Amino acid sequence: AQTVTQSQPEMSVQEAETVTLSCTYDTSENNYYLFWYKQPPSRQMILVIRQEAYKQQNATENRFSVNFQKAAKSFSLKISDSQLGDTAMYFCAFMKGSNNNDMRFGAGTRLTVKP
Amino acid sequence: DTAVSQTPKYLVTQMGNDKSIKCEQNLGHDTMYWYKQDSKKFLKIMFSYNNKELIINETVPNRFSPKSPDKAHLNLHINSLELGDSAVYFCASSQGRILGDQPQHFGDGTRLSIL
Repeated sequence: AQTVTQSQPEMSVQEAETVTLSCTYDTSENNYYLFWYKQPPSRQMILVIRQEAYKQQNATENRFSVNFQKAAKSFSLKISDSQLGDTAMYFCAFMKGSNNNDMRFGAGTRLTVKP
Repeated sequence: DTAVSQTPKYLVTQMGNDKSIKCEQNLGHDTMYWYKQDSKKFLKIMFSYNNKELIINETVPNRFSPKSPDKAHLNLHINSLELGDSAVYFCASSQGRILGDQPQHFGDGTRLSIL
């Protein structure tokens, strides 16, 4: 079974600064996908970024980037130039690449961006 | 132009009642899901359907019965509601059971409160 661990229940950052949210996972699969989802107070689940395990290059989406360490099974999210609108719960998620769309989520990290 | 829509957004009802939550997606996806998010924000998959076929059925009480009349709809019916059923229920969809790289698109959630 796959497990996803987010060890930081809460974090805060000053506006315009950089913050890194950690995520580790456990799997015996070689082909899989990793995601970060954002859940603001509005409760929507919004896809922030995704990474294919077979790609060595770290994914980047504007101010969001990941540090994917496959051997260490680590998938951290870096948010640069934090904005007040980044305040939300952030969920790390794992999905097997083979014949199954079963997505497993971590427990989430509540991020607060302070003005 | 909502991609994944759930109704109702809020549902307040008494213990013992039977209720349904509807979900529709207009993305042309062939896989749909139901997730439960508890009070601690932990998001856990309940069911997954691919082209009206059940492919994931986690350990969920049989009071919960998903119904997929077509691949664009996946409704969740709950019998004999219990206090522990209070949670936010998310519907999601993705394209392709085999293509594991397709992210899931989420609805806005239905907050179910049991009195």
